[in-house]
Amino acid sequence: DTGVSQDPRHKITKRGQNVTFRCDPISEHNRLYWYRQTLGQGPEFLTYFQNEAQLEKSRLLSDRFSAERPKGSFSTLEIQRTEQGDSAMYLCASSFSVEKLFFGSGTQLSVL
Amino acid sequence: AQTVTQSQPEMSVQEAETVTLSCTYDTSENNYYLFWYKQPPSRQMILVIRQEAYKQQNATENRFSVNFQKAAKSFSLKISDSQLGDTAMYFCAFMKPPALGSARQLTFGSGTQLTVLP
Repeated sequence: DTGVSQDPRHKITKRGQNVTFRCDPISEHNRLYWYRQTLGQGPEFLTYFQNEAQLEKSRLLSDRFSAERPKGSFSTLEIQRTEQGDSAMYLCASSFSVEKLFFGSGTQLSVL
Repeated sequence: AQTVTQSQPEMSVQEAETVTLSCTYDTSENNYYLFWYKQPPSRQMILVIRQEAYKQQNATENRFSVNFQKAAKSFSLKISDSQLGDTAMYFCAFMKPPALGSARQLTFGSGTQLTVLP
């Protein structure tokens, strides 16, 4: 069990650029979650996958945000046409038991 | 909608002493789960302790215990024999049982930064 892995740890981009983050969950976990955490706040839920099916995406912040989980393994979160307000830490979590989530160390996004 | 409130932005405690972090929540649900997560400087959220609302007995995990008061909608975390490694941001979180197939969303409070002093 190597834990939930997120890549990259840090991303600096210019406003208007597209960015993509990757999350590799714990191998036997079928549930995968994306959260966003801004400075001084707790994480807020964005989207959820059970295996390859995205069962909840209404909390994605705008249509510039999209997520995929091909073949029910790793997941990607893409933000198109980034804005300064997108600067935050993006956390991925996975679980097998519905109540016990394991989080990665996050990707810190800075939009200049 | 559920809300989680942590009214103590920062706290400090001497090593080996006991500290209690406060959390209140608002919900109309009867069955739900409550959690305390720890986020050290490494940024990884680590589950500290979990409580199911239907259980009257307070959860304990080694030096960590909770005081769950369902009627008061209060869920405090007690850390005994504080250690330097306990220094972290602590988040209280709420999860309601979802409809079949939908997401188990965690709703987090804004956190309490705990510093353990040598």
